Order: sequence, then C-alpha cells, then structure tokens
Amino acid sequence: ETGVTQTPRHLVMGMTNKKSLKCEQHLGHNAMYWYKQSAKKPLELMFVYNFKEQTENNSVPSRFSPECPNSSHLFLHLHTLQPEDSALYLCASSQDEGQGYEQYFGPGTRLTVT
Amino acid sequence: GENVEQHPSTLSVQEGDSAVIKCTYSDSASNYFPWYKQELGKGPQLIIDIRSNVGEKKDQRIAVTLNKTAKHFSLHITETQPEDSAVYFCAASRVGAGSARQLTFGSGTQLTVLP
Repeated sequence: ETGVTQTPRHLVMGMTNKKSLKCEQHLGHNAMYWYKQSAKKPLELMFVYNFKEQTENNSVPSRFSPECPNSSHLFLHLHTLQPEDSALYLCASSQDEGQGYEQYFGPGTRLTVT
Repeated sequence: GENVEQHPSTLSVQEGDSAVIKCTYSDSASNYFPWYKQELGKGPQLIIDIRSNVGEKKDQRIAVTLNKTAKHFSLHITETQPEDSAVYFCAASRVGAGSARQLTFGSGTQLTVLP
C-alpha cells in the first residue's frame, strides 16, 4: 500500500446523478492531485492542491468540482457527467517542493457513467 | 506545455531477457523524471526516478538513463521475470504555479514477460 486510499473503488452513476469521490493520504504530504486515466490515453492531470489551496486547474469542465478541506483529504464532486467521463480517477500526493519530488498514487476509482 | 512521447506501446520479451522503454520530452525546464509501474486494478507505483543532475541511476535490476541534451530518458530492466509484466509509464516534471510538482505522463508501455 502507498498510504493513499480512495473510496469508492467502483462507481456507476447516471448522467443526472451527483456523487463524490474521496481520497485520503496518511503520508503527511502537503500536495494532492486528481488525475483522469482513460483507455489508451496518458494520465491527465486535472487539479492540484498545495497546502489546501488549488494551484492548478487544467481546463477541467465545471461538472467536476474538487474540494480540499485539509492537507490529508481531497474530494471530487461529480454532477451531470457525460458517458465520455467514464475512466479511472486517480488521486496522488507528494511533499511540497524542496522536500521531495515523488508522487504516490492511490488505487483509483473506476467510474462508469451510464 | 510539456509533451512526453513513449515507445514502444507494447513490448514482449522472454523471461531473463532485458527490456528497454524510451521516452522523449519537450520542455527543457523539466528536471525530474520518474517511472511508474501499473498492475491491473492498481494505481501507478513509483519504481525509480532520476533528477537532471545525474545521467544514470540503478536499483537492482532496474536502471534509468537521462540525456538532457537530446531530451530523452530510458528505462532498462534486466533479467526480466513474469512479475515484471505490467504497464510502465514515464513522466517529466516541472514545478507548477503553487510549487507543487506537475507530472506529464507518456502514453504507457504494456510489457509482457513470457515464461
């Protein structure tokens, strides 16, 4: 285990549903990330939080809404998704710059939008 | 922005042989290059990384080389074993606006080690 947990591991939702993905890291890191992994495509960075502040939003549609209440928890709120949003959503964490470079990933949430 | 190209997309080797995966990057400001292994149903796991101030790093059967002039880096796995079968991703990293590192990933290589 990497010290990064994600729940749920699998989620099926309709296009009109609202759901949330949860990530928790037990590593004492200050930065947390959301990535989207689609079949046959590179991992895509969605959001970056550093010390609870969002520092990057890589042109992600507003139907994805992140929340970082503290440095250990990260959420991704989902609403009115499209079938093309079906993917594996990965959370990662790292120490801040100057302390360490490594990003540690959770196991992911497999999301299917019907 | 950064662009990372990874080759090959699939690689099959006989057990005991070596495997080499190559990546190129476009942003000369990138200075950290990790490699991740992803097994089925799991998240990517960091297996080795290299920083721009060195040209080679080795950890048992795994080694990574970096050529900053040519902007390419490679993963070398020697004496491959069936448990090495997985998808391998390279990445290049720069510091983002808030000082957290941003990784740009290659498209992955499916490595199959045949017994």
